Amino acid sequence: DARVTQTPRHKVTEMGQEVTMRCQPILGHNTVFWYRQTMMQGLELLAYFRNRAPLDDSGMPKDRFSAEMPDATLATLKIQPSEPRDSAVYFCASGFGDYGYTFGSGTRLTVV
Amino acid sequence: KNQVEQSPQSLIILEGKNCTLQCNYTVSPFSNLRWYKQDTGRGPVSLTIMTFSENTKSNGRYTATLDADTKQSSLHITASQLSDSASYICVVSKDTNAGKSTFGDGTTLTVKP
Repeated sequence: DARVTQTPRHKVTEMGQEVTMRCQPILGHNTVFWYRQTMMQGLELLAYFRNRAPLDDSGMPKDRFSAEMPDATLATLKIQPSEPRDSAVYFCASGFGDYGYTFGSGTRLTVV
Repeated sequence: KNQVEQSPQSLIILEGKNCTLQCNYTVSPFSNLRWYKQDTGRGPVSLTIMTFSENTKSNGRYTATLDADTKQSSLHITASQLSDSASYICVVSKDTNAGKSTFGDGTTLTVKP
C-alpha cells in the first residue's frame, strides 16, 4: 500500500532549537497538508500545498514556522526557535484533488 | 463554538454491539463530509467521504449517513470489534478548496470484551 512517510517519528528538543520535520507524500499526489494535533485543540491545519505551491498557511505562526516543498517528493515543516507550546503531534497528509487524503503516522514533538 | 460538533465525546460499548456517532455542522457552503478513524499513536484513516448529493455510504461495518438539510451526519458501526476502539473524527469541507475544512473534536470509542 502507498503511504505517506514522515520523519522523524519522535523528536525531543530543547527550547530555542530548530526543528525540521519531513514528509514524503504518496507518488502522484498533488496536494500536501501539514496539521498539528494536541489534546486541547484537536487537529489544526497549518499549511497546504497544491502542485508544490503554498495555497494557505494562515494557520501557521509565521514568526517561527515555515513550510516548503523543495520538490514533489519532499515537504518540510520547520520551527525556529521552538517553544514548549509547540509540543504536539504533527501530521502530513497528501491527496490528489479534493478528496480522500492519506495521513502519515505523524511526528511527535516534545520541546522541553 | 465549533462549526462541527460531535457527540458523544466518548462511548464505551461491549464487543459485538452496534453504536452510532453523531456529527452536526454549521459549515456553509458545504462541499463534502468525511469520517476518519484515528487509532492511538497513528494518523487518521479515511472511512467515508460524502458530497451534498449522497445520503449514505458504507465501508464494511461502517455506514455513514448525511442529511444536508438538517446538517447532520451519523456513523453507524455494526457488530463492533475490539479493533474499533479509536477516535472517530468528522470533517466538513466548506467548498472544493481542500484547505477549507473544519474538524470536529472526535468521539473516543472504547470496545470492551
